[in-house]
Amino acid sequence: GENVEQHPSTLSVQEGDSAVIKCTYSDSASNYFPWYKQELGKRPQLIIDIRSNVGEKKDQRIAVTLNKTAKHFSLHITETQPEDSAVYFCAASMRRSGNQFYFGTGTSLTVIP
Amino acid sequence: GAVVSQHPSRVICKSGTSVKIECRSLDFQATTMFWYRQFPKQSLMLMATSNEGSKATYEQGVEKDKFLINHASLTLSTLTVTSAHPEDSSFYICSARYPGGGYEQYFGPGTRLTVT
Repeated sequence: GENVEQHPSTLSVQEGDSAVIKCTYSDSASNYFPWYKQELGKRPQLIIDIRSNVGEKKDQRIAVTLNKTAKHFSLHITETQPEDSAVYFCAASMRRSGNQFYFGTGTSLTVIP
Repeated sequence: GAVVSQHPSRVICKSGTSVKIECRSLDFQATTMFWYRQFPKQSLMLMATSNEGSKATYEQGVEKDKFLINHASLTLSTLTVTSAHPEDSSFYICSARYPGGGYEQYFGPGTRLTVT
C-alpha cells in the first residue's frame, strides 16, 4: 500500500504565527490528499483537501499545496489561534485501490496564547 | 448532512469474549465503509474496506478471522472483535465514503474498546 510520512510530529507556535506541516507519499498514483484535525478522543474532521490536478487550495486561514513531481504536500495555517491546537493528519488516496486513505503519523500542534 | 454514528462509544469486555461495533451512515447510503484502529497518540491504521453485499478487503497483517466485518445494508457495517485479548484494546473508528464517486470520507466518533 501507500506509505505516507509526516513531519514534524510536534509543533508549537505562538498565537498569530503560521504553522506548516509537511507530508510525503510514495505512490505516484495517489490523487487525493485530505487533511484532518482530531481533538483528543474525538473523530477526525476534514479541514481541507486537494486533488492531484490542482497545485494549491486555500480556505480562509488554511491552505494546502501539492507538488506531484516531488510527491509531497503541505498544510499551512496562518494567524494561528489557541483553538487550532489539535493533532493534524494528512492522508493519501488513490481511486484504483478503492479510495482507501493511508494516513501520516500525525502532528500535534500547540498554539501558545 | 454526512453524519456517521458508531455504537457503542465505549465498551469493556473480558478476555476471550467477542464484541460487536456498529457503524451507521445516518443521512446517506454508503456502499463503502472503512474500519480503522488508533492506538494512543498514534495514527489511524486502515484495517479493512467494507463493501455492501460483498466480502471485506483486509489490509496486510489484519486477521480476518479475528476482526469480522459485515456490511449487510447501505447504512450499516459491523466490526466484531472475536476472542478479544488485552492487546486488542484500542480506539476503533469507522468512516463512510460519500456516494457519487467522490473521495470524501466521513468519520464516526469512534469506539473505545478495553479488554480486561
